[in-house]
Amino acid sequence: DSGVTQTPKHLITATGQRVTLRCSPRSGDLSVYWYQQSLDQGLQFLIQYYNGEERAKGNILERFSAQQFPDLHSELNLSSLELGDSALYFCASSVEVDSPLHFGNGTRLTVT
Amino acid sequence: AQSVTQPDIHITVSEGASLELRCNYSYGATPYLFWYVQSPGQGLQLLLKYFSGDTLVQGIKGFEAEFKRSQSSFNLRKPSVHWSDAAEYFCAVHGSSNTGKLIFGQGTTLQVKP
Repeated sequence: DSGVTQTPKHLITATGQRVTLRCSPRSGDLSVYWYQQSLDQGLQFLIQYYNGEERAKGNILERFSAQQFPDLHSELNLSSLELGDSALYFCASSVEVDSPLHFGNGTRLTVT
Repeated sequence: AQSVTQPDIHITVSEGASLELRCNYSYGATPYLFWYVQSPGQGLQLLLKYFSGDTLVQGIKGFEAEFKRSQSSFNLRKPSVHWSDAAEYFCAVHGSSNTGKLIFGQGTTLQVKP
């Protein structure tokens, strides 16, 4: 158990809809990262927050947004969903920016 | 730009045989390097990391990796593979000194034959 909690585990929704994925980092970790894993793209970095502030942005679509709250949990919002957004979304956390990342078990999103 | 290449998409070894998974990286400065393992339906678990110092690093589950700067490689090894090692393995490099984001390779799927 990595200590990173992601909910829900599975999500099935239709095209055009909006969903919110939630992540609780390990106790004491200030940094939260979101990754998307798909068969064709592999593990792609989406965005990172550190202590509530956005720290780095990767290949995140404009339809996607995230935030980190004062209690350090994070949410990833995906809107106007397309079939191609179907993937496994991982959250990871670390104590500091040069510390190893610890991953949650992911949220599997299926867009139909 | 930083990148990681894992040349082998799929590897099959017999149980008890030795294993080496290849990883090559591209990074301008001294890299921070990692190996993660992903079992089906699970998240990624950290096997080992290299930040500096001894170029041979030991990890969990009997794995080790060797950093070779001249070859830009960080290969993962295990002397004797167990059936439970069947999983997908990812090599990663620290993407930036200002953030902690990792750049991952495409992964190598390990199958273990009885």
